[in-house]
Amino acid sequence: KQEVTQIPAALSVPEGENLVLNCSFTDSAIYNLQWFRQDPGKGLTSLLLIQSSQREQTSGRLNASLDKSSGRSTLYIAASQPGDSATYLCAVRGNTPLVFGKGTRLSVIA
Amino acid sequence: DAGVIQSPRHEVTEMGQEVTLRCKPISGHNSLFWYRQTMMRGLELLIYFNNNVPIDDSGMPEDRFSAKMPNASFSTLKIQPSEPRDSAVYFCASSLGGQTYNEQFFGPGTRLTVL
Repeated sequence: KQEVTQIPAALSVPEGENLVLNCSFTDSAIYNLQWFRQDPGKGLTSLLLIQSSQREQTSGRLNASLDKSSGRSTLYIAASQPGDSATYLCAVRGNTPLVFGKGTRLSVIA
Repeated sequence: DAGVIQSPRHEVTEMGQEVTLRCKPISGHNSLFWYRQTMMRGLELLIYFNNNVPIDDSGMPEDRFSAKMPNASFSTLKIQPSEPRDSAVYFCASSLGGQTYNEQFFGPGTRLTVL
């Protein structure tokens, strides 16, 4: 059974810092991995989708990498801003639809 | 496109009552997913449909939960009778394709409180 772990559970950084969020999964037989952002009391917004054949995806200040063989993904956020404060979730899709981690709650302090 | 639409956004009901949550997927998407989010368990898949057909309902917690997708533009999740432990945020998501490589897009969720 696929299990997804995100470390740390919470992170607080000063504005302007670059940061990395980590995601690990137990079964490397995946189709893709998706990173989401969730603001308090809101739904999920898709940030990046990495197919199993890809190594990374970039969107603006965000860069996600995937190492399928080791069961790891990272989300890199450059030059963090207070507006980046949210919970970030990763989810993997294998033979069953998305299995989510519990998320990393990010606070960017001005 | 309006995105995935869910209604109601908030529902407060009393234990034992029937609750029906509604979802309209993004037009053209042929896969639809129902999730539940709680602080303790995070996001869990309840059931998903492909081309209106339920594919996997192994995440449905018990027989009190049922889901239907009568057509490509509408799905319901029903809880009867509801219990306080059903209190959670219920999300609907849709994507283009079933066992494929496409993004899932989420609705805003329905926050259910069962008293």
